[in-house]
Amino acid sequence: AAGVIQSPRHLIKEKRETATLKCYPIPRHDTVYWYQQGPGQDPQFLISFYEKMQSDKGSIPDRFSAQQFSDYHSELNMSSLELGDSALYFCASSLGLEREASYNEQFFGPGTRLTVL
Amino acid sequence: AQSVTQLDSHVSVSEGTPVLLRCNYSSSYSPSLFWYVQHPNKGLQLLLKYTSAATLVKGINGFEAEFKKSETSFHLTKPSAHMSDAAEYFCVVTLGGGNKLTFGTGTQLKVEL
Repeated sequence: AAGVIQSPRHLIKEKRETATLKCYPIPRHDTVYWYQQGPGQDPQFLISFYEKMQSDKGSIPDRFSAQQFSDYHSELNMSSLELGDSALYFCASSLGLEREASYNEQFFGPGTRLTVL
Repeated sequence: AQSVTQLDSHVSVSEGTPVLLRCNYSSSYSPSLFWYVQHPNKGLQLLLKYTSAATLVKGINGFEAEFKKSETSFHLTKPSAHMSDAAEYFCVVTLGGGNKLTFGTGTQLKVEL
């Protein structure tokens, strides 16, 4: 079965550079979530999109922006990179917002490991 | 607001012995609760989920968890640990579909021979 695809898998950047991370959700999934996991930390929610509109926002720095495109893939743009941005960035996708009592499971991609030097 | 507290940052067990990873939750509404596992340098894999159906939830690889509202707990158990179970385990809460996941700080499970 198709899973969530993230690219690139590894990325090395210098301070003050920019980076773009891409996420391709499972086919027919219309909701995308971004999480950041620092070294030895638990994943922290950054931002989510449903049907190309931002649906929720977490602890995402102003230097970061994201969007969801018409084909439902999403990109996380990171500017003026700092050493502290070094982390594993996960994308997850799910099928729509809650319409019934059951939860719409989030499926995680393998992550992009960003290293800022 | 919602949160989870994982009571142990590290748990060490011998192979073949039971596993207990503890999690307490706090939520203003009826939560959905999950356990995810993360092996070294790997992504997050869903072990099991509770979404207001049966309170005893069975997951993959022999894991199960019981939702206890009176104790606000969702502890993860396995009758017999295997070496391959060594990993980081996260207890996670959400208000429901389409909502962000809030992770606990994780429990590192070590399995010894």
